[in-house]
This record gives sequence, C-alpha cells and structure tokens, in this order.
Amino acid sequence: DAGVIQSPRHEVTEMGQEVTLRCKPISGHNSLFWYRQTMMRGLELLIYFNNNVPIDDSGMPEDRFSAKMPNASFSTLKIQPSEPRDSAVYFCASSLTSGRDTQYFGPGTRLTVL
Amino acid sequence: TQLLEQSPQFLSIQEGENLTVYCNSSSVFSSLQWYRQEPGEGPVLLVTVVTGGEVKKLKRLTFQFGDARKDSSLHITAAQPGDTGLYLCAGEEGTYKYIFGTGTRLKVLA
Repeated sequence: DAGVIQSPRHEVTEMGQEVTLRCKPISGHNSLFWYRQTMMRGLELLIYFNNNVPIDDSGMPEDRFSAKMPNASFSTLKIQPSEPRDSAVYFCASSLTSGRDTQYFGPGTRLTVL
Repeated sequence: TQLLEQSPQFLSIQEGENLTVYCNSSSVFSSLQWYRQEPGEGPVLLVTVVTGGEVKKLKRLTFQFGDARKDSSLHITAAQPGDTGLYLCAGEEGTYKYIFGTGTRLKVLA
C-alpha cells in the first residue's frame, strides 16, 4: 500500500495568496484527519471527517481555512487568504474507522507564507 | 482543551544508555498513545495503552500508563542511534480525538 499521499511536499507563497493542500488517504479507510504542526503549538487537530462528512472542525483556526472531502479518496485543505502565521507543516492522516484505530500519517506539506 | 506536558523537551545521550520520557496531564484520558516522528515524515504510532497501570513492551521500549490514567512514561533500554527522533504522546479526548503532547526530541550519539 502506498500509504497516505500528500501534495505538494513543500509550498512557498506570498501573503494574501490562496493555498490548497491535497491528501489521498489509504484505500478503505473511513476516517480522515488534518493536523498542523508548529514548534510553538505542537501537533494540533484541525478537522476530522468520517465517511466523507466533516464531524469536527473546531480546530480550524478561522474562516480563512476550509476543508473538503468530495469522495473517499481525496481531501483538500484550503487557506484563503494566507498569512505568515499560517506557516507550518500540515499533515493528513487516515484510519480504518473512528475510535482507537491506528492513524496513519502522510509525509506532510511544509508551508511557508512570506 | 486538555494539555499534555512532556519532559524532558530535549535529550542527547550516548549509545547504550537508558532513558525515560514522561507525559503528564491533570486530566484523565481513556487511552494514551506514543508516536515517534523522524525529520521530514509524519508521526508513526508505537503503542496504545488503555488500562490504568498497563505496561507494554516493544523490544527495548517499555510503555506504562499511570494508575490514574493521567500520565505515562516511555523507557528505552540501551538506546541506539536508530531511536533518534521526536517522541509524542497523545491522550484520547473523545472517540476519535487525540490531544498531542509537547514532544521530546531525542538524539542518540554513536
């Protein structure tokens, strides 16, 4: 299995630009998570999908952030407009079901907003 | 939101030494997980502990969940350079939601 696939691996953009991060979960997994990791705040859950439906988006920082999961094999996290404080590594993870199933993390997207 | 504090933050040791990493909270968790993360990669799950007082072993790694399910420890025996990485604990806050700790960055020198 290819594991969780994220693209791009690195993104550098200027403040005010729109950024779209992409994730392909492991085939057959019903749960998908988006996390953000920074030195200051560690690893934070942004949003959780179950069976393509957003269940908990309480971790999304503000309205500039949005996430979609149009089908079981694809999800996007969009930031519009981007700000320098959004610079972080963004991880996507998937698990077979919700609960205590193992979450498999992708390699992450390192975002730098200038 | 519950907080998970890990200590130490940084640890640099020689190959062959033993070490213990701690994960503490004032809140009770239903379960607790430990992950290892290497540079440029996502975290990889090492273990999940569920019962207070539970001890799990994974080769040279020993994980313990506190009796009150508020804290946990990770002990590594005879550390090796391959153990180098960021160790994260994560407490279960809900049926799917895990709160991650502040992390311990371990470096094992050959």
